[in-house]
Amino acid sequence: SQELEQSPQSLIVQEGKNLTINCTSSKTLYGLYWYKQKYGEGLIFLMMLQKGGEEKSHEKITAKLDEKKQQSSLHITASQPSHAGIYLCGADQHGSSNTGKLIFGQGTTLQVKP
Amino acid sequence: SAVISQKPSRDICQRGTSLTIQCQVDSQVTMMFWYRQQPGQSLTLIATANQGSEATYESGFVIDKFPISRPNLTFSTLTVSNMSPEDSSIYLCSVSSGDTIYFGEGSWLTVV
Repeated sequence: SQELEQSPQSLIVQEGKNLTINCTSSKTLYGLYWYKQKYGEGLIFLMMLQKGGEEKSHEKITAKLDEKKQQSSLHITASQPSHAGIYLCGADQHGSSNTGKLIFGQGTTLQVKP
Repeated sequence: SAVISQKPSRDICQRGTSLTIQCQVDSQVTMMFWYRQQPGQSLTLIATANQGSEATYESGFVIDKFPISRPNLTFSTLTVSNMSPEDSSIYLCSVSSGDTIYFGEGSWLTVV
């Protein structure tokens, strides 16, 4: 079965600094989702990547899916306290099938110090 | 996009009781799902809520413990039955809409 591994598990950065979170899959990814979660709350959809080499941006957050489609990275530029939270990557548990059923990485907890 | 509302957002429950969580979507969707997030952990899929038929459960989850209803294309409920402290979790509803999968705000249950 497919597994997703995120690194780092946690991150503390100074406000204004850039940071990168990685998500590595044990199998080829046919769709990779990035979400943000605040403690005790639901998931906020950030981006979805499907094609190898694809890159998407939203405000100061950029996500890429590598050419081999086994790793994705999430990059935050000039971090702000509002970026703090848990970042989760998710992928369809059946690989190429678009079942809507996701497996998730263990999450990366981001703290941004003012 | 889809906007998903869950009720309750939080609750404290007595051991041995049952609680039903509601999930309402602002548009008709084919696929709805229920996830559990135990403290400090990531999300695990409980089941797919099928409209007009019984839910499809993932390995490790059973209907007697987590009965699910899906009366129409915009609404679903998840009941957590005979709760124990191990059921203390955030329960999340999700829907597939277009190419995107959206999640509700979650229902944080604490069993005492």
